[in-house]
Amino acid sequence: AQKVTQAQTEISVVEKEDVTLDCVYETRDTTYYLFWYKQPPSGELVFLIRRNSFDEQNEISGRYSWNFQKSTSSFNFTITASQVVDSAVYFCALSEAFNTDKLIFGTGTRLQVFP
Amino acid sequence: EPEVTQTPSHQVTQMGQEVILRCVPISNHLYFYWYRQILGQKVEFLVSFYNNEISEKSEIFDDQFSVERPDGSNFTLKIRSTKLEDSAMYFCASSVGVSRGFYEQYFGPGTRLTVT
Repeated sequence: AQKVTQAQTEISVVEKEDVTLDCVYETRDTTYYLFWYKQPPSGELVFLIRRNSFDEQNEISGRYSWNFQKSTSSFNFTITASQVVDSAVYFCALSEAFNTDKLIFGTGTRLQVFP
Repeated sequence: EPEVTQTPSHQVTQMGQEVILRCVPISNHLYFYWYRQILGQKVEFLVSFYNNEISEKSEIFDDQFSVERPDGSNFTLKIRSTKLEDSAMYFCASSVGVSRGFYEQYFGPGTRLTVT
């Protein structure tokens, strides 16, 4: 069965702190994709990153970085030097590559960054 | 930058009424999706649509729901007889190719449906 677990319901930090959002997934497929989406207070879902199961290289994009570890079925997201504008709900999602179009979302982590 | 648009942004309806939620996907995209998010909960897949047919649907997408692409630009979700538990944010998404994870799905801003 496919499942995405985001155990952290809510995280609060002060600006400029680093913060890591955890994501653990379950799938029987060997080919799959993992995603992170941001949902700011305005409500839309903003695509942040996609990784495929064969690419375990970590990725950095500005203040954002992602750590993909197949051995622990984790795809964690780190924000360095957090800013108030990073306040949002962050969703991790899984898509299996065969026979399905759907994204399976985790329950999300609400990040609050205080000035 | 092209984006998915949805109308209305907020719809209030009475239980038992029919509602139609509208979406305009990105123009060169061929695959369309509906998801819903009950307040404070995770985003859940409802249905995917390609070539004027449903390609996949979840168990949530029962006979009360239907989708249609009535013209070359709109993609609609109809709920025939709304229930209180249909209250949620409904997101439309589109992708340029069959998703299967390979092409990212771009989401619209959502329609908040409130059933009273």
